[in-house]
Amino acid sequence: QKEVEQNSGPLSVPEGAIASLNCTYSDRGSQSFFWYRQYSGKSPELIMFIYSNGDKEDGRFTAQLNKASQYVSLLIRDSQPSDSATYLCAVYASGGSYIPTFGRGTSLIVHP
Amino acid sequence: SQTIHQWPATLVQPVGSPLSLECTVEGTSNPNLYWYRQAAGRGLQLLFYSVGIGQISSEVPQNLSASRPQDRQFILSSKKLLLSDSGFYLCAWRISGTTDTQYFGPGTRLTVL
Repeated sequence: QKEVEQNSGPLSVPEGAIASLNCTYSDRGSQSFFWYRQYSGKSPELIMFIYSNGDKEDGRFTAQLNKASQYVSLLIRDSQPSDSATYLCAVYASGGSYIPTFGRGTSLIVHP
Repeated sequence: SQTIHQWPATLVQPVGSPLSLECTVEGTSNPNLYWYRQAAGRGLQLLFYSVGIGQISSEVPQNLSASRPQDRQFILSSKKLLLSDSGFYLCAWRISGTTDTQYFGPGTRLTVL
C-alpha cells in the first residue's frame, strides 16, 4: 500500500513569514512529486512539481525533494493571507503508473 | 490551451434517485481521465480512471459507474444514490505519454438528502 503522509495542521504563520509544509512517502521508487493548493469549496490547483533531488523555485514557492529520506516539502516565502488554503501533496510511483497517491493535505492559515 | 468542464456545479438529490455527472476536456487528445470524490474534511478518493474510449478502471466497489463514450468525455453515474454519496466530485485529466501533471476541473458539489 503506497502511502503519502502530511500533517493535517492547521499550520498557522504570521503574514510575511515562511510557511514550511512537509510530505513523506512510502514508495522508494516514486518518480514525480506535485503540490496542489485547494481553497475551501474549490478544486485543487497545481502550484509546483519536482522530479529531481534538490530545490526548485517558482516565485515565492520552493519545492524541496530528498529521495533518500523520502520526503518532499513546500516552502512559501513572504506568506500572505491569500495563501491560506489546504495544500495537497501528490506522488507518482515508478513503473509508469497512471495514478498518483495523494496525501490528505495540510491546512495553512496565514494571519495578518 | 486545455480546458476542463464539469456540470452541474451543484446538485441536491434525494436518496434513491439516479445521478449523471459530466466532464469534458478541450484542447487535447486521448487524455487520461479520472473521477475523484472528496467527502467533507476528507482526502481525495479515486473512483475511476480511463486511458481511452470505453476503457474504465474502477478503484472502489460501490454503487457508482463511469463511462467514456467519446475521447474527451467522462461520465459518472448512479442508478440509486445513497446518503454516503454526498461529496465534492472532481474530474481530472492528464496528458498521456508526457509529464505526469494532473489537472482538476471545477468540481460538482453533490448533496444527497
